[in-house]
Amino acid sequence: QSVLTQPPSASGTPGQRVTISCSGSSSNIGSNYVYWYQKLPETAPKLLIYKSNQRPSGVPDRFSGSKSGTSASLAISGLRSEDEADYYCAAWDDSLSGDVVFGGGTKLTV
Amino acid sequence: QVQLVQSGAEVKKPGALVKVSCKASGYTFTNYGISWVRQAPGQGLEWMGWINAYSGHTKYPQKLQGRVTMTTDSSTSTAYMELRSLRSDDTAVYYCARAELYWEPGDSWGQGTLVTVSS
Repeated sequence: QSVLTQPPSASGTPGQRVTISCSGSSSNIGSNYVYWYQKLPETAPKLLIYKSNQRPSGVPDRFSGSKSGTSASLAISGLRSEDEADYYCAAWDDSLSGDVVFGGGTKLTV
Repeated sequence: QVQLVQSGAEVKKPGALVKVSCKASGYTFTNYGISWVRQAPGQGLEWMGWINAYSGHTKYPQKLQGRVTMTTDSSTSTAYMELRSLRSDDTAVYYCARAELYWEPGDSWGQGTLVTVSS
C-alpha cells in the first residue's frame, strides 16, 4: 500500500483535459512540496512538476500542478497520444525518520 | 546538459551485495545531491535514500537502514549505491537522480540499472 493514494487508471481522448489526483496526509502533502513524474515503459521517470506547481524548462504548459490541504492534482490539457504513460506523485513525509513517499501510479490511456 | 550514466545490469545470488554506480556530467557535482529510487517489476517507485555530494551526509528510509550505503567520489563525479543481504524482492530497476535537497526525488535521472536477485 502506497502512502500517497492515486487512482490506478485514468483516460481521455485527444484534445481533452484530464486530472489525476494524489491524496496524502498532514505529514506529507499537507506540509511539504509535491512532485509529479511521467514514466514510460523502459525509460527513466521524467520530472513534470516540482514544488507542487512549478514546471521545469522544457515541460509543455499543458501540464500543471496544484495542491490544496492534503491533496494534490496534476492536470493535462490538450491531451495527446504521447501522453499515454504512468504518472506518479511524490512528497517528503515527516513521520518517523523521514522518507520520500510515492503514490502507486496512475496509468493514463489516451 | 545534465547527464547521469549508470553501470550495467547485475545478477546476484540471495545474500550477496550489489554496488551500482552513477557518473554525473554537465553540472557541478558537489552543488547537488544524488537520490536513488527503485522500481520492482510491475510495481511503483520506491525511494532508497539521498546523499549530499559535497558533505557525504546521507538520508535513508527506515526500511533500508543497515542494508544500504550511499557514497560519492567527487574526483570522478560518481555516486555509488551499495545494497547488502540481497533478497529476491530486491529485484528491480535502480535509478539515480540529481536532487539538490534530501526531500526532492530528483530532476534529472540516470537510465536505470536492472538488478536481478536469483539463486
